[in-house]
Amino acid sequence: QKEVEQNSGPLSVPEGAIASLNCTYSDRGSQSFFWYRQYSGKSPELIMFIYSNGDKEDGRFTAQLNKASQYVSLLIRDSQPSDSATYLCAATTGGFKTIFGAGTRLFVKA
Amino acid sequence: GAGVSQSPRYKVAKRGQDVALRCDPISGHVSLFWYQQALGQGPEFLTYFQNEAQLDKSGLPSDRFFAERPEGSVSTLKIQRTQQEDSAVYLCASSFDEQFFGPGTRLTVL
Repeated sequence: QKEVEQNSGPLSVPEGAIASLNCTYSDRGSQSFFWYRQYSGKSPELIMFIYSNGDKEDGRFTAQLNKASQYVSLLIRDSQPSDSATYLCAATTGGFKTIFGAGTRLFVKA
Repeated sequence: GAGVSQSPRYKVAKRGQDVALRCDPISGHVSLFWYQQALGQGPEFLTYFQNEAQLDKSGLPSDRFFAERPEGSVSTLKIQRTQQEDSAVYLCASSFDEQFFGPGTRLTVL
């Protein structure tokens, strides 16, 4: 079992809809959680990070963390075709080692 | 520089050859990470430096992999006696707070 699990997708949503991306992690010691976006052939770029239980909003993006359920999610409101990419969930445990999930491919249809 | 740079961007090696991959981090970034990303997968942690100290090398897959950062700036990832399973994109990231990724080196071992 991978330490960070994501549904590989693809997840397809129409333009303007809400895209919901989910992630679970196995290490209860994980402290920090990150969502990265990776376009095909490009390197990952950070979208959101979250440390505390609850929701964190930044523009069209909302990250949600539930440590009891070991669950992290990313909601993208008003999805745009430019949001089409692979979304990587990542977690760190205490130190600096960052564990990434395999990513979920998102397609936003115009 | 403006961002993390890596060289070469592409490298083709014959099985058994040694390769050296270079990473130039963002100036002033203390932390430096190396990741290996196989096609369709998320980045896999290889090693972490804080300045010149290699604090975590738990992700290096074998003793053929070696990383250094002798002056706390530029880092080199060396792979000896390359094997076909080493074919992947090697990503470097530097960090003061959030990780910024370089464009990666795509290694193909024939």
